Amino acid sequence: EIVMTQSPATLSVSPGERATLSCRASQSVSSDLAWYQQKPGQAPRLLIYGASTRATGIPARFSGSGSGTEFTLTISSLQSEDFAVYYCQQYNNWPPLTFGGGTTVEIK
Amino acid sequence: QLQLQESGPGLVKPSETLSLTCTVSGGSISSSSYHWGWIRQPPGKGLEWIGSIYYSGNTYYNPSLKSRVTISVDTSKNQFSLKLSSVTAADTAVYYCARLSGYNSRHDYWGQGTLVTVSS
Repeated sequence: EIVMTQSPATLSVSPGERATLSCRASQSVSSDLAWYQQKPGQAPRLLIYGASTRATGIPARFSGSGSGTEFTLTISSLQSEDFAVYYCQQYNNWPPLTFGGGTTVEIK
Repeated sequence: QLQLQESGPGLVKPSETLSLTCTVSGGSISSSSYHWGWIRQPPGKGLEWIGSIYYSGNTYYNPSLKSRVTISVDTSKNQFSLKLSSVTAADTAVYYCARLSGYNSRHDYWGQGTLVTVSS
C-alpha cells in the first residue's frame, strides 16, 4: 500500500497570502495524484487531478505541481472561502486508493 | 447535474451488517467511463477508501476491509450498494459514495455523506 504523508498538519495563513501544502508518497506515483478540499460538514471537492490539472470550475488561484513522490498544492492568494482541510490522494497503485492525512488551512 | 445520495440506517449494532445504498441521478450508472465508489471518514479523522465497482459488476476493495465488504450495483435502479459485516465501534464514520473518473482514479462527484454509528 502506498502511504501518503501531508505536511504541515496545520497551516496558519492570512487572507491574501500564499499557501503551500505538501504531499509525499512512500513510492513513486508518477503524476497520478489528486487534491481535494473539504469544508466542515461537507463532502470533499475535487480540486486537482493528474498532479496539475484543475477540475471543472476550480479557480486559477489553485495550482498543483510535482511528480514521483513529491507534490505541492499552492493557493496563490487565500480567500475566506479557502480555509478548509485539504487532502491528497494517489491513484497510481491500487487497490487501495490512498489519501493523505490532510492539512488544515486556518486563518492566521 | 449529476447527484449522488446515500441512504440507509444511521445506527447499527455491533457484530451486525451495515448496509447503505447510493442513488445516482442526472446520469447513468451504466456509463462505460466511470467507476462508483465508497469512502468513509471517522469523526474528526481523514478519508479511507473502501472500494469501488464498475457497472458490469467488477469490484475493487481495500485489502484492509476486503473480508467484510461487499459492493454491488443495480443498473435498473441506477444504484449501487455497500455492505460491511461484523461491524464494531471502529466502523463509526460518515460514509460517502462517489463517482470515479479516469478508470478508478479521481473522485469527481460526491454524495453529501451519511453518518453511521455503531452502538448497542
